[in-house]
Amino acid sequence: QSVLTQPPSVSGAPGQRVTISCTGSSSNIGAGYDVHWYQQLPGTAPKLLIYGNSNRPSGVPDRFSGSKSGTSASLAITGLQAEDEADYYCQSYDSSLSGPYVVFGGGTKLTVL
Amino acid sequence: QVQLVQSGAEVKKPGASVKVSCKASGYTFTGYYMHWVRQAPGQGLEWMGWINPNSGGTNYAQKFQGRVTMTRDTSISTAYMELSRLRSDDTAVYYCAREASGFGELLGWFDPWGQGTLVTVSS
Repeated sequence: QSVLTQPPSVSGAPGQRVTISCTGSSSNIGAGYDVHWYQQLPGTAPKLLIYGNSNRPSGVPDRFSGSKSGTSASLAITGLQAEDEADYYCQSYDSSLSGPYVVFGGGTKLTVL
Repeated sequence: QVQLVQSGAEVKKPGASVKVSCKASGYTFTGYYMHWVRQAPGQGLEWMGWINPNSGGTNYAQKFQGRVTMTRDTSISTAYMELSRLRSDDTAVYYCAREASGFGELLGWFDPWGQGTLVTVSS
């Protein structure tokens, strides 16, 4: 059971917009820790997609955007493309134990129909 | 460019230990924390801990305390993760990932990641 909760799967047709939620609590996202997002293509290592809630590293298309509010965060992908089919993970920190320590969401599999 | 290159796949028997290396290049190795994350087959990402390459200080996830040891060799810009008393459920891909929030900082994001090292535990 992951500390951050993501939907196991989402899907959308090419060109559509999808969102992936990441729900935490008062000890992690709600405590003010930033949320970061990673994309993992099949058989490869995770790659940074969004950092600091809403910032895109250079090279990441502006079709990807992130936001954070209260104890949750969201990743939005517009103009869906076939190459976006991947697993997506959110990451933050938690301070409920002798932390802070890193926490991940369980991951969301995006299927492009 | 900033790059992390990990050692090759390992096959170990239950009860044994494994040591995975992560060689950094393209940046000041001692300036950025290094994290270790694992991913069991078909599962999500699980954080194992971090090491401060400058001081050698470590912080391990509670689940792995007593079984994991993270070290570094600054002369060759390499971090190591050793996991002992291996069980079948330790079969996973192990990644190193650099803390990218800033020089000497923590509580941020990971970039880049190593290519991963598959550790298979089987009798």
